[in-house]
Amino acid sequence: DTEVTQTPKHLVMGMTNKKSLKCEQHMGHRAMYWYKQKAKKPPELMFVYSYEKLSINESVPSRFSPECPNSSLLNLHLHALQPEDSALYLCASSQPRTLYSGNTIYFGEGSWLTVV
Amino acid sequence: AQTVTQSQPEMSVQEAETVTLSCTYDTSENNYYLFWYKQPPSRQMILVIRQEAYKQQNATENRFSVNFQKAAKSFSLKISDSQLGDTAMYFCAFMKHGSQDSNYQLIWGAGTKLIIKP
Repeated sequence: DTEVTQTPKHLVMGMTNKKSLKCEQHMGHRAMYWYKQKAKKPPELMFVYSYEKLSINESVPSRFSPECPNSSLLNLHLHALQPEDSALYLCASSQPRTLYSGNTIYFGEGSWLTVV
Repeated sequence: AQTVTQSQPEMSVQEAETVTLSCTYDTSENNYYLFWYKQPPSRQMILVIRQEAYKQQNATENRFSVNFQKAAKSFSLKISDSQLGDTAMYFCAFMKHGSQDSNYQLIWGAGTKLIIKP
């Protein structure tokens, strides 16, 4: 069983809707991620939060807005999406690297998003 | 820039057979990490195995083992006694051990679709 939980599992939204994807982890990790994955492709990194601060934004359009309310929660707010934004959205978490340990990323089950 | 190459888009084997998935990478870094992730039809991305570049010993996790050849920049995954539940897309990934941002960046291969036949 995954320790990174994503809700909802499936979401269908219109191009004028506002919705949110939610992610929660209980592993005490201090880094959290959003990835976007299209069929038969590897995941593409969108955002990284480290210690609740936005660390990486991979030039993601502003219609995607991340939020990290605390170290266990990560949200992705969606507004005015396009049909090409339909994809699997994966949340992940990790313990940031220390001098002696690497950074292993653990993924949730994903949220399937369809934009109509 | 780092790149990861998986040269086998698709493979299929009979249940209980052993299968090896190939992965090569290109980097000028000396310290880094390599990963194999598995993504079954349910689409959850599951960590299979991880290898630190500074360790000469190959990582193993039950039926999964790697053949890490640092000089050749090769990181293959061997699955022994394959099971139907091993059917999945397998991704090889690389991560630098260095500056802060690189801690978070996985460089992915294109993936190998593995089908285990009954």
